[in-house]
Parts: sequence; C-alpha cells; structure tokens
Amino acid sequence: RKEVEQDPGPFNVPEGATVAFNCTYSNSASQSFFWYRQDCRKEPKLLMSVYSSGNEDGRFTAQLNRASQYISLLIRDSKLSDSATYLCVVPQGGKLIFGQGTELSVKP
Amino acid sequence: GAVVSQHPSRVICKSGTSVKIECRSLDFQATTMFWYRQFPKKSLMLMATSNEGSKATYEQGVEKDKFLINHASLTLSTLTVTSAHPEDSSFYICSARDPADSQETQYFGPGTRLLVL
Repeated sequence: RKEVEQDPGPFNVPEGATVAFNCTYSNSASQSFFWYRQDCRKEPKLLMSVYSSGNEDGRFTAQLNRASQYISLLIRDSKLSDSATYLCVVPQGGKLIFGQGTELSVKP
Repeated sequence: GAVVSQHPSRVICKSGTSVKIECRSLDFQATTMFWYRQFPKKSLMLMATSNEGSKATYEQGVEKDKFLINHASLTLSTLTVTSAHPEDSSFYICSARDPADSQETQYFGPGTRLLVL
C-alpha cells in the first residue's frame, strides 16, 4: 500500500458543481494533514491544514476519518479558477509525503 | 504565509556543465530546507533534506555527488547539479520549514525549470 494515495483523476466538472477528492494514508500514527494546490508549472501552495476531524474555509471543506485513514477535500460551487492539481500531503518523520495529486478541470 | 524565493527560475545548459540553484527564506530563518524534483504529470519527489551547518540527508537513490547541497546560512541553501545530462532536466523545487511553526508546514519556492541539451 502506498504511503499516501489519491485518485489521479482527471475530474472534469461544470462551473458551480460540488466535487470531492479522497486520499488514504498508511501510517495510523499521522497527526496532521495538508491539502496543497498546484497550478500547472508552478509550485505547490498550501490550501488547508487538517489536525482534528476537519476544517472549513469558505467553499472548501476538509474532513479526516482516522478510523478509516482517509482525508477528503470538498469543493462547493466550483469556479474556473479552481482548476489545478490537488495534492494530499502527510508529514512523517520530519518530511512531507505527497500523494500523486488529483487533477481538477472546471469547465464553463 | 512565509516567503521562499528560488533562483534562477529557468535555466538551459549544455550537457556536462554544472548548474547551481539557490533557495532563500526571506522572512524567517530556516534551519531545515528541502529539495524536490518533479517530472511532468508526477508528484514531487523528495531528493534531500538540507540542514544548516551540517551535511544534507539524501533520499535513497539520489546521488549525493551528483546533487551537491550546501546550507551555509539560516536563509540560504544551494543545490548544484554537477555534470548535468539531459535526464537531469526537470522541475526542481525547494521548501523551507519555519521553526516557529509547530505544524510542520513547508513553504515552497517558485521552482527552477532545468533543461539540459
């Protein structure tokens, strides 16, 4: 089992749609989790941090299920500008372990 | 969030030359910086952890003599790709961790796109 696993997509959705990404992790001792957003040919940028059961920031909601070892990211009312690759990231041993990323394309 | 700069943003070089990439933390002192490379459509792969004042820790499979890392100050780490070859062409990204941040957040530089001809 990979340390951090995501559905690579791509997810093609219309503007205004709600879309959810899942991410599973293998280390049950992990305490914190991150979602980063990476635009084409750019560096990753921190979108959300998740430390307890979840976190919400505007249209974005991250939820953590420790029993099943997965984190989800929900995007409501998606915008064209949400098109990007979303990276699930788990700190481990002082390093960041990246999932392979989920590509989202929001169409008009 | 914290700011990390990287220079150059893009470099094209001939095979056999060496290329130095700089990573700077602009508004905090970073005792630890990280170097990643990323191939198209792939996720980031950690190459090494750069520790200020000591030797870098390389990930398995990364040649330390090929990718020289120097972290001489609390705000600067450099990665030198020695005797570059076309297969070294990639997107290299550094990150830094703010020691005042207990949540292990890393802030990424804008990346350096290397093309070796």
